[in-house]
Amino acid sequence: GENVEQHPSTLSVQEGDSAVIKCTYSDSASNYFPWYKQELGKRPQLIIDIRSNVGEKKDQRIAVTLNKTAKHFSLHITETQPEDSAVYFCAATRNDYKLSFGAGTTVTVRA
Amino acid sequence: DSGVTQTPKHLITATGQRVTLRCSPRSGDLSVYWYQQSLDQGLQFLIQYYNGEERAKGNILERFSAQQFPDLHSELNLSSLELGDSALYFCASRLIQPNYDYTFGSGTRLTVV
Repeated sequence: GENVEQHPSTLSVQEGDSAVIKCTYSDSASNYFPWYKQELGKRPQLIIDIRSNVGEKKDQRIAVTLNKTAKHFSLHITETQPEDSAVYFCAATRNDYKLSFGAGTTVTVRA
Repeated sequence: DSGVTQTPKHLITATGQRVTLRCSPRSGDLSVYWYQQSLDQGLQFLIQYYNGEERAKGNILERFSAQQFPDLHSELNLSSLELGDSALYFCASRLIQPNYDYTFGSGTRLTVV
């Protein structure tokens, strides 16, 4: 089955700086890669996703890149703000299949 | 509101007991997925149902079972509860292809004492 690895496990950045989280996946058939933000005790919320026919996608301060050959994808948050502090999960899946999640990255934005 | 409804929000019960968690997917979503998230842990896939039928199983214990009813709501049954079963239980539903959008409910926090 799919195995998703996520790094780093914790990330502390100064407000205004950028944050980058990287994930690798094992199943070459995976074709959908969402990123979720989860605040303490709350549900994971989709913040951005990318499909395998696209190399990069951007939504305001958030961007995701995908390298299918290397089987890795990354989340980039620019101009970080205190409200960006949360746990971020990457995931991968194919077709009508379960999401396989990375272990999560705890992001702390220092004011 | 994500459109995925989970009840109850909180549940406290004793070891050895049995509980039922309920999930109503977004209108039109046929697939329901159950995930377990223990303290400071990631999201572990338990089971998937599609239009009333079991589609995939993850690391679900034999003490746990689930079903999806004709109205598409799903129930996760946890029996012979142990302290280690304390966790957040999320269900997610998704649109049919080609849109892969998965949306999570707010979860049920289960505490076993």
